[in-house]
Amino acid sequence: DTGVSQDPRHKITKRGQNVTFRCDPISEHNRLYWYRQTLGQGPEFLTYFQNEAQLEKSRLLSDRFSAERPKGSFSTLEIQRTEQGDSAMYLCASKYNRGTEAFFGQGTRLTVV
Amino acid sequence: SQQGEEDPQALSIQEGENATMNCSYKTSINNLQWYRQNSGRGLVHLILIRSNEREKHSGRLRVTLDTSKKSSSLLITASRAADTASYFCATDVRETSGSRLTFGEGTQLTVNP
Repeated sequence: DTGVSQDPRHKITKRGQNVTFRCDPISEHNRLYWYRQTLGQGPEFLTYFQNEAQLEKSRLLSDRFSAERPKGSFSTLEIQRTEQGDSAMYLCASKYNRGTEAFFGQGTRLTVV
Repeated sequence: SQQGEEDPQALSIQEGENATMNCSYKTSINNLQWYRQNSGRGLVHLILIRSNEREKHSGRLRVTLDTSKKSSSLLITASRAADTASYFCATDVRETSGSRLTFGEGTQLTVNP
């Protein structure tokens, strides 16, 4: 148990629907990351928060994706108008500071049908 | 785009043998980290080696880093069937707004009993 929680673990949705995922990081970690991973690939960076500020977004993060971390604690990732290509594992990670290891949650597996 | 590239993509060995995985990267780094992922699960941090370190040990794991060649290797000694997993290297690259991990595509290790 790494201490990072993600909810839900699995989500099946119809194309065109909106979905929202939640990540609860380790409480003293101020940095929070979202990654996306497809089968047989490594995780791809999506976005990063330091406390409540979203400091970096990947070009992978289209306008349909939005992430928030309103109080610098938990974070949500919303995908609007889902497409089949959004099917993937969405991973959240947190860490305390620069140059330290990241702790990952178990991920949310999204299937868009 | 992925910064790290692992080699080989897949490795199959017998229990008790050593497993060596290599990682190459492109830009200057703060540190390089190795992670393990069991199928369908989140990533687990194994070891972190800083840019001013050349070798690091943790139990049956040995990591080397050659910053002049921009490469790293992970050695697992006396492998066990439970070591079967995907192994990823991740580079911690300092961006202007902070640091994030950039992952390679991983090596799938199978240890046969």
